[in-house]
Amino acid sequence: NAGVTQTPKFRVLKTGQSMTLLCAQDMNHEYMYWYRQDPGMGLRLIHYSVGEGTTAKGEVPDGYNVSRLKKQNFLLGLESAAPSQTSVYFCASSYSVVGNTEAFFGQGTRLTVV
Amino acid sequence: AQSVTQLDSHVSVSEGTPVLLRCNYSSSYSPSLFWYVQHPNKGLQLLLKYTSAATLVKGINGFEAEFKKSETSFHLTKPSAHMSDAAEYFCVVSDRRDDKIIFGKGTRLHILP
Repeated sequence: NAGVTQTPKFRVLKTGQSMTLLCAQDMNHEYMYWYRQDPGMGLRLIHYSVGEGTTAKGEVPDGYNVSRLKKQNFLLGLESAAPSQTSVYFCASSYSVVGNTEAFFGQGTRLTVV
Repeated sequence: AQSVTQLDSHVSVSEGTPVLLRCNYSSSYSPSLFWYVQHPNKGLQLLLKYTSAATLVKGINGFEAEFKKSETSFHLTKPSAHMSDAAEYFCVVSDRRDDKIIFGKGTRLHILP
């Protein structure tokens, strides 16, 4: 019953530090997404992937990199963290973007950059 | 590219009265539309989804949404609000043309006793 698992759940970084957020799904989904959630802004798409080895930019990709080396994992990297990247990050996976499918979400990672 | 506009950032209703949360979408292809709910400090839960089988969609906890292509709308309704409905609600669109799942900015629903 794991679904989508994000690690870590909380993290505090100093400005300029780097980190990687891991998203793992066990549903054999092709599509995976990273979002950030800020008050009044909804969830904004950072990067996404439509299959192993593929990635694409979303609405707010600057300052982030991603990799999808294995189908079940989607990594989000911050090379040099900035206070503007303080946010709650959500990962999602989906079998498809059409038809009777919906996205499944992780529980979120709360990141604070000081 | 598709987009979603949630017309109200905050909605307040009294307990026991109807709820209406408005959503308009833009998609040049047949979209899939969803409503998600997020309770304070919680994750996202799917309320309901439209995938062209029927224009009136029933979801969990008594919520419904009607797809109106002519108005490009997918408004969320509930006949009688309950205190436990206080949360943030997101309208979401996806279509097959660019593989993205796009969120609206959210509507925070307040329930007055």
